[in-house]
Amino acid sequence: NAGVTQTPKFQVLKTGQSMTLQCAQDMNHEYMSWYRQDPGMGLRLIHYSVGAGITDQGEVPNGYNVSRSTTEDFPLRLLSAAPSQTSVYFCASSTDRGIADTQYFGPGTRLTVL
Amino acid sequence: AQSVAQPEDQVNVAEGNPLTVKCTYSVSGNPYLFWYVQYPNRGLQFLLKYITGDNLVKGSYGFEAEFNKSQTSFHLKKPSALVSDSALYFCAVRDIDTGFQKLVFGTGTRLLVSP
Repeated sequence: NAGVTQTPKFQVLKTGQSMTLQCAQDMNHEYMSWYRQDPGMGLRLIHYSVGAGITDQGEVPNGYNVSRSTTEDFPLRLLSAAPSQTSVYFCASSTDRGIADTQYFGPGTRLTVL
Repeated sequence: AQSVAQPEDQVNVAEGNPLTVKCTYSVSGNPYLFWYVQYPNRGLQFLLKYITGDNLVKGSYGFEAEFNKSQTSFHLKKPSALVSDSALYFCAVRDIDTGFQKLVFGTGTRLLVSP
C-alpha cells in the first residue's frame, strides 16, 4: 500500500487565494490529522479527525477548514491565504485503538503565500 | 499540559562516534514518548517509542533511546554515527489530557555527522 499521500508537493499562492491540500491514506486508519511545520517551532496541530464525519480543532486552527467524508481522505482548505500560512504541511494517520499507536506521516506540502 | 523540550538546535558528531540527541519531558501521569526523523525534503519517519517496560528502547536504523524517569528524559542514542544519519530529529509526547491521539512535538534537533 501507498501509506499516507499528499498533493501537491509544492504550491505558491497569492494573498487571498484559496486552495485545498489533499491527504489520503490506504491503511484504514480512523485517526487523521494536519500539522504545520515552521522553523524553530516543531510541528503544530491544525485539525484532526477521529473518524468519518468527525473533526475538531487543534492548536492552530484559524484560517483552515477540514472535512472528513470518507475514512481515506482528509483535505485541508485555506479559504483566503495569508503570508503567515507559508509553511510545510504534513498529514498523518493512525489507528485509534490505544495510546501506543504510531502516527504515520505523509511527505508534506510546501506552501508559499506571497 | 504535556510537553517536550529539545535543548540543542544542532548536534555535531564525527562518523563512527557515538551520538546522543537530548529530550526532556513534562507530563501529568505516565509518559508516552516517541522519536521521529525527518530527512531533507521528506516527511517524518517513526524511529521508536516508549510506552512501558524496559527503559532502553530499540528502534529503526540502529537507534535506541533511554527512558529515565527520575531525570524526565528520553535521549536518543546510537553507538556509531553514519553520515547518512544527518537529519532533523523530533521528540514527541502523547497528549493524553485531550483524550485522543494528539502528539506534542519538540522544536527539533538537527544532527550533522561529518565524514
